[in-house]
Amino acid sequence: QVQLVQSGAEVKKPGASVRVSCKASGYTFTGYYIHWVRQAPGQGLEWMGWISLNSGGTTSAQKFQGKVTLTWDRSISTAYMDLSRLGSDDTAVYFCAREKALAGNGPLDLWGQGTMVTVSS
Amino acid sequence: EIVMTQSPATLSVSPGERATLSCRASQSVSSNLAWYQQKPGQAPRLLIHGASTRATGIPARFSGSGSGTEFTLTISSLQSEDFAVFYCQHYSSWPPRTFGQGTKVEMK
Repeated sequence: QVQLVQSGAEVKKPGASVRVSCKASGYTFTGYYIHWVRQAPGQGLEWMGWISLNSGGTTSAQKFQGKVTLTWDRSISTAYMDLSRLGSDDTAVYFCAREKALAGNGPLDLWGQGTMVTVSS
Repeated sequence: EIVMTQSPATLSVSPGERATLSCRASQSVSSNLAWYQQKPGQAPRLLIHGASTRATGIPARFSGSGSGTEFTLTISSLQSEDFAVFYCQHYSSWPPRTFGQGTKVEMK
């Protein structure tokens, strides 16, 4: 079954860091990008960044530069999103999603189930 | 940064009726535009890519049109399972890959 399975919910204190994982199964891990998108409670979707599963190269939105680190482990078909210096405004559901690496850019055709991260003292 | 603006914010439609959703980009994204459907508690689902190509398994009642800066998603005859929030997103060369703020399609 082609799917992205994310790690479970997290509760963190302000100032801490969190790692969310995204494991791919049912398809060849490389040849795709993994994007990270978050959604605060009752709000819309916010694109955070992506990582190339071919090269490991990353791009992130300016807002998240220096705060988010995107990595991957090819051997276990898993991508990771590390978010540091958490504040209450980082409380959100975090989604991973894949994009096929084509000659041009492409849409996000497969999404993980989402991981709730709650930041609370 | 390309700003994506969706309208209306909320659309009240009766089952069987037609729904038309709009998405405008602050600069041309060519046809690099996708539409997603999100139901409560679920991840978004890809509906349309390339502005007008239905994703695998998407019913023909969903159609997309437009290019450049103006885009439309049309649901020809709303079914009960179609009520949800719809987002547009550009995937042109320039990051960030911003989303619109969403249009909620609710039952009238």
